[in-house]
Amino acid sequence: GAVVSQHPSRVICKSGTSVKIECRSLDFQATTMFWYRQFPKQSLMLMATSNEGSKATYEQGVEKDKFLINHASLTLSTLTVTSAHPEDSSFYICSAPDSGRGTDTQYFGPGTRLTVL
Amino acid sequence: SQQGEEDPQALSIQEGENATMNCSYKTSINNLQWYRQNSGRGLVHLILIRSNEREKHSGRLRVTLDTSKKSSSLLITASRAADTASYFCATDHSGNTPLVFGKGTRLSVIA
Repeated sequence: GAVVSQHPSRVICKSGTSVKIECRSLDFQATTMFWYRQFPKQSLMLMATSNEGSKATYEQGVEKDKFLINHASLTLSTLTVTSAHPEDSSFYICSAPDSGRGTDTQYFGPGTRLTVL
Repeated sequence: SQQGEEDPQALSIQEGENATMNCSYKTSINNLQWYRQNSGRGLVHLILIRSNEREKHSGRLRVTLDTSKKSSSLLITASRAADTASYFCATDHSGNTPLVFGKGTRLSVIA
């Protein structure tokens, strides 16, 4: 089956630093990728939709200048948390639909756990 | 925003018993999917049911969908301790739209 990877799987950083998270589709092209955030004991909430070749679209309440998204190629989207603060500590998960297969399944990355000290 | 609710929020059962989790949603959907998530881990896709389907089976899993009530249920039969996890339903409007997740049910299966 299709595989989506994320890197890093876990990151700890100091408050005020920036952290980049990569999401890659390993065996298919993804013109669209989705970024979700999950706080402890809560569900996944959509943050933004990453579009190859165009600007990302953000959900209400998500600061686009704080969470920079770059869909650099058909297999890579990056999420940069700028000037991270402890309240940004969360589990970040990306997903990508494989429209080329003609199925409706979306493939999720394994997630990145961000801890901001 | 989250589309729906799941109940119960938490469920604790003995190994061997059946576990039933329910999910409700608010708008029309294309598909409804169920995922499992072990603590601190990523999502595991369990089953997808399309809006024109009413029931689907996969191993010990049975999913029903009632579009008139905008609800779905996940039944896990003969539960095992390894089934302990959080279970989420998620809906979409098409294959290329983001998934909207329910709040999830935390299932504990006691050996």
